[in-house]
Amino acid sequence: EAQVTQNPRYLITVTGKKLTVTCSQNMNHEYMSWYRQDPGLGLRQIYYSMNVEVTDKGDVPEGYKVSRKEKRNFPLILESPSPNQTSLYFCASSFRPGGASGYTFGSGTRLTVV
Amino acid sequence: SQQGEEDPQALSIQEGENATMNCSYKTSINNLQWYRQNSGRGLVHLILIRSNEREKHSGRLRVTLDTSKKSSSLLITASRAADTASYFCATDAAGDYKLSFGAGTTVTVRA
Repeated sequence: EAQVTQNPRYLITVTGKKLTVTCSQNMNHEYMSWYRQDPGLGLRQIYYSMNVEVTDKGDVPEGYKVSRKEKRNFPLILESPSPNQTSLYFCASSFRPGGASGYTFGSGTRLTVV
Repeated sequence: SQQGEEDPQALSIQEGENATMNCSYKTSINNLQWYRQNSGRGLVHLILIRSNEREKHSGRLRVTLDTSKKSSSLLITASRAADTASYFCATDAAGDYKLSFGAGTTVTVRA
């Protein structure tokens, strides 16, 4: 089944404790992206990757890092999480940035930073 | 940054009725897409309309696009309880490397 897999689904952590949210896709998509979703703000892009070893900042990159060492994986790293990073996070992938065939989204990771 | 803005924010209808929601955007686009999200789950792609298209159908979904007004509408006909969800429009703007999403319309279909 074609899918984007995110882990974990839920995570509660403390301020300053480094964490990684994993994302993997099995569709050979070149483009991958991370979004965060907050009430009333819709989805905002954090980082994106056009291909292996090619990543760039989205609209809200502060406090986040990413890497793209393999085509299928695009982990999101929070080196020193803060409470304002409490949010619902989504990984998405597509053949092209504009998603001419639409984006495929993961099921989401609900992160709480206390 | 939010490119699309949906209207209304929330919509409650009876099963069997039609649901219409609108999306306005600000810049030139390559395409506009609609997604559905069930209660905190991942978004599911519903339909895409390109900038040179005016109307598109998929099952009970009808999407229109008016590039002169920078607006789109999504019509769900003969709604069912399973259509209860949030609906988002997303735009692919020329030169952007992303889809830009609006804040969404929450649709509740009452049995």
